[in-house]
Amino acid sequence: DAGITQSPRHKVTETGTPVTLRCHQTENHRYMYWYRQDPGHGLRLIHYSYGVKDTDKGEVSDGYSVSRSKTEDFLLTLESATSSQTSVYFCAISEIGPDTQYFGPGTRLTVL
Amino acid sequence: DAKTTQPNSMESNEEEPVHLPCNHSTISGTDYIHWYRQLPSQGPEYVIHGLTSNVNNRMASLAIAEDRKSSTLILHRATLRDAAVYYCILRRGGGSQGNLIFGKGTKLSVKP
Repeated sequence: DAGITQSPRHKVTETGTPVTLRCHQTENHRYMYWYRQDPGHGLRLIHYSYGVKDTDKGEVSDGYSVSRSKTEDFLLTLESATSSQTSVYFCAISEIGPDTQYFGPGTRLTVL
Repeated sequence: DAKTTQPNSMESNEEEPVHLPCNHSTISGTDYIHWYRQLPSQGPEYVIHGLTSNVNNRMASLAIAEDRKSSTLILHRATLRDAAVYYCILRRGGGSQGNLIFGKGTKLSVKP
């Protein structure tokens, strides 16, 4: 299995609070991705990174920011969490852009 | 990205072969056909991919129609562990950003 961990695995927070989710990889892959999965929508891309300090927006980026200061870590921040951001968040990595993606175990976030 | 069409659900008996169809009539010449699956409460995992020729790996086989407008994922002997949602995804080759666009997939149930 690819070495991808996500933390925390579960989090409950209140509307308006900041939240940071962490994705950590031990594969030294260049590309990292954040997706969210909601019933009826499948997985949708939030942000992705194609190198240290190189990031770009995905399909559903509003309300989210990301940072990547090291190859192995990709952080997803909700500056002020809203109930619509209640979801399961998956991190993925790939060696090159169009290559096979490997997914982490997911983080279940509940915003009350 | 070109769209794929899959049945919402399929059923199979344990230890029997399973053929999961996917239609992609608007596929372009540089689109790779990828299959991922997602077991309950887990992140998606890569299954197989191909461009024009049929492909085999330890998990499954991929049969691609000659005109590439459809493909079939074949699980040779279904096990209970194969119960999952299977996603057929087209990936553009040649340096694209590489994010996966997930549809709703096919939910495969395996009966003992």
